[in-house]
Amino acid sequence: NAGVTQTPKFRILKIGQSMTLQCTQDMNHNYMYWYRQDPGMGLKLIYYSVGAGITDKGEVPNGYNVSRSTTEDFPLRLELAAPSQTSVYFCASSDRDSANEKLFFGSGTQLSVL
Amino acid sequence: KQEVTQIPAALSVPEGENLVLNCSFTDSAIYNLQWFRQDPGKGLTSLLLIQSSQREQTSGRLNASLDKSSGRSTLYIAASQPGDSATYLCAVKWAGRRALTFGSGTRLQVQP
Repeated sequence: NAGVTQTPKFRILKIGQSMTLQCTQDMNHNYMYWYRQDPGMGLKLIYYSVGAGITDKGEVPNGYNVSRSTTEDFPLRLELAAPSQTSVYFCASSDRDSANEKLFFGSGTQLSVL
Repeated sequence: KQEVTQIPAALSVPEGENLVLNCSFTDSAIYNLQWFRQDPGKGLTSLLLIQSSQREQTSGRLNASLDKSSGRSTLYIAASQPGDSATYLCAVKWAGRRALTFGSGTRLQVQP
């Protein structure tokens, strides 16, 4: 019962490098989200998707891009890594947009940009 | 501005104590509120979800209450155990907004 799977778990990037954080879920959820969590802070929404082919910006989208070609996968792309993007990134999914929805999270990717 | 606040940031209690974690939010027009648990180096696990029409939800030793008029929610943990040590976050979904707004969490340590 995998749930939400994120890879890699850890990554160190140099300024200006690019990378893709992978996220896949096996629960057939329509809604998927990318959050970042800075030390001692709550989570902030980067991007979200309500279904395959549909994505939208969250609170802090600058410097990131996403795509949603399938229901299962929701990769997050960093094009020109900056030190301000050092954070822990969480992917999440939920069944539907309703008052009963619960959010299921992956275990996170810890990213350092040096 | 719609914000979620959790005070205190950290709490240490002896094993067996009943405790209350607090969450406050600035706009009463919420859709739902969730309490999450986060263990170090791990993702978040949803503990309880309260719909806007509900006053409380219970799961085992956990009880979450919601008072929209005062903009507050509490998470009550009965007979705390060392295994309850974790960071607890609350998150609000406001009507008309797609995603949750998170508080910064309360880091709980239960001493054996």
